[in-house]
Amino acid sequence: NFMLTQPHSVSESPGKTVTISCTRSSGSIASNYVQWYQHRPGSAPTTVIYEDNQRPSGVPDRFSGSIDSSSNSASLTISGLKTEDEADYYCQSYDSSNYVFGTGTKVAVL
Amino acid sequence: QVQLVESGGGVVQPGRSLRLSCAASGFTFSRYGMHWVRQAPGKGLEWVAIIWYDGSNTYYADSVKGRFTISRDISKNTLNLQMNSLRAEDTAVYYCARDGGAAAGPDFWGQGTLVIVSS
Repeated sequence: NFMLTQPHSVSESPGKTVTISCTRSSGSIASNYVQWYQHRPGSAPTTVIYEDNQRPSGVPDRFSGSIDSSSNSASLTISGLKTEDEADYYCQSYDSSNYVFGTGTKVAVL
Repeated sequence: QVQLVESGGGVVQPGRSLRLSCAASGFTFSRYGMHWVRQAPGKGLEWVAIIWYDGSNTYYADSVKGRFTISRDISKNTLNLQMNSLRAEDTAVYYCARDGGAAAGPDFWGQGTLVIVSS
């Protein structure tokens, strides 16, 4: 089984841009889709990016996803930060009937 | 709109059993795979199990294999998780989630139900 490693936390001011990385420990990041979830305490997680770089309807275009095979990682970028973006973010991928979540990143909007 | 409502959580002693349910509405339940995902206190999300849209296949995380059983009742639009031989480390909020397809992962999630395993 592989692991997905994320930074523990990131912080930035409103209006700025943050990028969260998600590094896959073994196997190619490009071999299976990567999803990103936003999770506020006490609420249900919600999907902000699916299939590497697709946004569900209703998710603002301030959220974008990408993958980089050279670093075997995926990234979530949030631009024009708003206080409502403060939450935990998890990447997730799949291999051989096993679904793996990243370690999670707490985003603080200062 | 898609709605997933979990129930059945509570406090249970180590070694005992508990059954969680998830009532689904707002979509054609029989066309989607379904997941259980959990979050222990202060920890991240952990995938638990998946059942295919037709119930023909089930897969489990190593941490629960042999103790948990995922099932579905198409007639009642309900997803279940039978949890046996519970351990303290199974204490978590358990989320029911719909599978997004394309070997991706969950797309819609419920609010979760809390399970506490303690003597």
